[in-house]
Amino acid sequence: RKEVEQDPGPFNVPEGATVAFNCTYSNSASQSFFWYRQDCRKEPKLLMSVYSSGNEDGRFTAQLNRASQYISLLIRDSKLSDSATYLCVVPGGGGSQGNLIFGKGTKLSVKP
Amino acid sequence: DTAVSQTPKYLVTQMGNDKSIKCEQNLGHDTMYWYKQDSKKFLKIMFSYNNKELIINETVPNRFSPKSPDKAHLNLHINSLELGDSAVYFCASSQGFSMTPQHFGDGTRLSIL
Repeated sequence: RKEVEQDPGPFNVPEGATVAFNCTYSNSASQSFFWYRQDCRKEPKLLMSVYSSGNEDGRFTAQLNRASQYISLLIRDSKLSDSATYLCVVPGGGGSQGNLIFGKGTKLSVKP
Repeated sequence: DTAVSQTPKYLVTQMGNDKSIKCEQNLGHDTMYWYKQDSKKFLKIMFSYNNKELIINETVPNRFSPKSPDKAHLNLHINSLELGDSAVYFCASSQGFSMTPQHFGDGTRLSIL
């Protein structure tokens, strides 16, 4: 299994839809996870941190399944402004210990 | 106030030249990073410094040399630039590493002619 793996998408959804992304990771010792959002030609920005089973912030919910080694991001009532690439981030293990490993991202496009 | 600032924002130069990118953070963080994001949008770590000490040095050509004069600054010098160096370079900082989120600068877009 790759260190971090995401479906690249694109996910094309209408405004108001609910959309979910999954991310699998290989380092079973990972304790903290993050979802970042990156707009076109911009820097990644922290969306949510996940330290236990999950986290919720408004329309965004992140869930962690340690047994299956995946985290998910659920976006409810999608807005046009949610269009971006969503990066799953996990701590590195083995030779990468000490740094964060960024997934290649899942692209979301919300249409009117 | 910009938390993590990089200069320059755009850098267009010819193959073979030497260039530097500067990064400063005013968040009081003790760890800083350089990432490279290539045309395929894959964000890959290059270096990490914790309290001015090199912590992570991924497989990067030795033409790339980071320097951290203090824990608020991490500069990147690149010698003998090559076409493959064209990318967006992001600086980031965090308090500690691995368990804590990172804050990114807005990137330096390097284009090699």
